[in-house]
Parts: sequence; structure tokens; C-alpha cells
Amino acid sequence: GENVEQHPSTLSVQEGDSAVIKCTYSDSASNYFPWYKQELGKGPQLIIDIRSNVGEKKDQRIAVTLNKTAKHFSLHITETQPEDSAVYFCAASNRNAGNMLTFGGGTRLMVKP
Amino acid sequence: DAGVIQSPRHEVTEMGQEVTLRCKPISGHDYLFWYRQTMMRGLELLIYFNNNVPIDDSGMPEDRFSAKMPNASFSTLKIQPSEPRDSAVYFCASSPGHLSGNTIYFGEGSWLTVV
Repeated sequence: GENVEQHPSTLSVQEGDSAVIKCTYSDSASNYFPWYKQELGKGPQLIIDIRSNVGEKKDQRIAVTLNKTAKHFSLHITETQPEDSAVYFCAASNRNAGNMLTFGGGTRLMVKP
Repeated sequence: DAGVIQSPRHEVTEMGQEVTLRCKPISGHDYLFWYRQTMMRGLELLIYFNNNVPIDDSGMPEDRFSAKMPNASFSTLKIQPSEPRDSAVYFCASSPGHLSGNTIYFGEGSWLTVV
């Protein structure tokens, strides 16, 4: 089955700096890669996703890149703000395996004011 | 849309008691998932349903856990008897299941403590 590794497990940045979180996956058939943000006491919320036919996607201050050959994808947050502090999860999905998502272990991002 | 609705939000119970967690998925979604989140194991998929039918329950830890989906708008996850190691946050999630998208929407979770 799919295995998703996520790094780093914790990340501390100064407000205004950029943050990058990286994930690798094992199943070359995976074709959908969402990122979720989980704030304290809440469920994970989808913030951005990318499909395997696209190399990069942007939405304001967040962007995701995908390298299918290397089987890794990354989340980039620019101009970080204190409200970006949360746990971020990457995930991978293989359409041929139903709609199951395999999640990475999570990254706790702390943005210091 | 109200999103995925879970109840109870918090539950504290004694070891050996039965626990029932409830979920109302987003209307029109064909897939329903139950996840468990702990510090040690992260987010684990327990079971998922497609059109009310259980498809994969390989993540259910043991026979003490059972899940049902009697109709498209309701699902339960039951633990009987509960044990302290079952303490975790249990998330229900749903997905429209379109071929073009696998987006999964999570509820706010049920925080279970077994003492």
C-alpha cells in the first residue's frame, strides 16, 4: 500500500518568513495530493490540493509543487502570519484504491510574531 | 452546507463501558470515513463506506470496534468494551467520490477519554 513520509515534524519560523513542508510517497499510481491544516481542537481542513497532471498550483500565499518522477510534493507558505500556526498534513490518494487518503505524520508549524 | 456533523464532541467514560460515536455526512456525499488520531500513530483510517456499504475495514483495531451506516445520512462507530488505549480523537469524514476529485471533508471530531 501507499506510504507517505512528511518532514519536518516541527517547524518554527519568524512572522513574514517562508515555510516549506515536504512529503514523499511510495505508490507511483497515486494521482491526488491534498494538504490539510488542523488547528487546535478542530478537524483537518483542506487548504490546497494538486493532481498528478499539474506540476504546481498557487492560491494566494500558499503553493504546492509536485515532482512525479521523484515522487515528492511540497507545501510553500510565503509571508507567514501567526494565524498560519497549526499542524499541516499532506496526503496521497490513488483513484484505483477508492477514495482512501494516506496521510503523512504531520508538521507542527509555529509562526513567531 | 453544515459540513460533517459529529457527536458527542467530548466523551469521558470508564473502562468496560460501551461508547457510541455518531456522524452525519455532508448531504449527497457517497463516501464516509472514520479516522482515529493519536499522538503516537497520527491519522489512521479505520473503515470507509461507499453508498452505505462498508468497503474496507482493515483499519479497525479489533473486534471491540464496529461501524454501521444504516442510511446515507447517518453512521455510528461503536466501541464495546472500551479500554484506556482507545482514548483518541475520532474523526468522521465524507467525500463526494467523483472520479475527478477525492476531496475529503472532516468533521470536528469526537474526543474520547477512557479512564
